[in-house]
Amino acid sequence: GNSVTQMEGPVTLSEEAFLTINCTYTATGYPSLFWYVQYPGEGLQLLLKATKADDKGSNKGFEATYRKETTSFHLEKGSVQVSDSAVYFCALLNTNAGKSTFGDGTTLTVKP
Amino acid sequence: KAGVTQTPRYLIKTRGQQVTLSCSPISGHRSVSWYQQTPGQGLQFLFEYFSETQRNKGNFPGRFSGRQFSNSRSEMNVSTLELGDSALYLCASSLTQGRGDTQYFGPGTRLTVL
Repeated sequence: GNSVTQMEGPVTLSEEAFLTINCTYTATGYPSLFWYVQYPGEGLQLLLKATKADDKGSNKGFEATYRKETTSFHLEKGSVQVSDSAVYFCALLNTNAGKSTFGDGTTLTVKP
Repeated sequence: KAGVTQTPRYLIKTRGQQVTLSCSPISGHRSVSWYQQTPGQGLQFLFEYFSETQRNKGNFPGRFSGRQFSNSRSEMNVSTLELGDSALYLCASSLTQGRGDTQYFGPGTRLTVL
């Protein structure tokens, strides 16, 4: 079956530090890969996505590249801000399934 | 374009009661999926509906059921509530089930079972 493994948190960084959250996956077929962000008391917001190998998704300074050879989709940001503090979820969605598989989430806290 | 909406946002029920949650997808989206989020189990898939048909189902007991209407709006029902059903229930909609499809999530319904 499908599975997603995220680096364990929580992660605490100082403002302007470099961020990496590791994500690896196991899947059949050719899934699309996503990063979602969840702020306290809210639902999941789509942060970025990639639909095929070597695609790079990017949004709000965050980036992730779909690496089929290493089955990875690591999230990076060059300079984090306090407002980036949230829980980040890596996910995959298989075509014709309607079901996303999520990692356990990584809590990021950015301190001023 | 309006996003996915869920009602109600908060619910408090007691054990043994039943509850119905509602989800309105983004206009034009025909696939609606439901997820349960808890601190211990994370995000777990409940079921998915497409054109009023359940096409995929997760590993939840039969107390959890759902349906989809002709306008793509969906409801999920939980009967005989248990304390362990306390969770954030998230609904997601997507345009189709093709390559490149994306699920967009609503704000969730926070269910507390006392």
